[in-house]
Amino acid sequence: DTAVSQTPKYLVTQMGNDKSIKCEQNLGHDTMYWYKQDSKKFLKIMFSYNNKELIINETVPNRFSPKSPDKAHLNLHINSLELGDSAVYFCASSHGQGAAVNEKLFFGSGTQLSVL
Amino acid sequence: DAKTTQPPSMDCAEGRAANLPCNHSTISGNEYVYWYRQIHSQGPQYIIHGLKNNETNEMASLIITEDRKSSTLILPHATLRDTAVYYCIVSQYGGSQGNLIFGKGTKLSVKP
Repeated sequence: DTAVSQTPKYLVTQMGNDKSIKCEQNLGHDTMYWYKQDSKKFLKIMFSYNNKELIINETVPNRFSPKSPDKAHLNLHINSLELGDSAVYFCASSHGQGAAVNEKLFFGSGTQLSVL
Repeated sequence: DAKTTQPPSMDCAEGRAANLPCNHSTISGNEYVYWYRQIHSQGPQYIIHGLKNNETNEMASLIITEDRKSSTLILPHATLRDTAVYYCIVSQYGGSQGNLIFGKGTKLSVKP
């Protein structure tokens, strides 16, 4: 009954490869997010997305792209992986009813990506 | 950049109250104080949030000073499972629009 689930939990790959991380939420939320936690443990927003709007953090390279087949899923595609992409990636969701102060984020358990 | 300052680490004895401080001297009038925690190898978990008044829920209590420049998260009876990194965040919109900026947090170690 995991609310926000992401797969795989671990992903080891070579530089230059293309990979995807899947995320699904069963909370009926309208907005989903991808966060990146680097080696220094800083957690930073990459994307927020609902069926109306994709907001991209301008520091995210265009090799990263979110794909949403439906509102319960937001997958992260990464092209031409680089060493610096190694990090833990967290998917999250929220109810998403506009700019509401009670918008709690529900996070998945993370995908540890290692680029060799 | 995070707009809060927290001690990097704290210890607490099991069964005792854990009091985690946070300074947010530049908080603006429409910003709330949020607390999340991250247990090892898991995603962050929402704990509590507040604006001016003290708040309490099943997980914790939040005490905000009258000038709103600092706050304290209180875990009344800490257990070993409360060992985690605790993040204090100020935000106008909470989770929506990706407006949560996580700093380094406080690593709380609950010891038997």
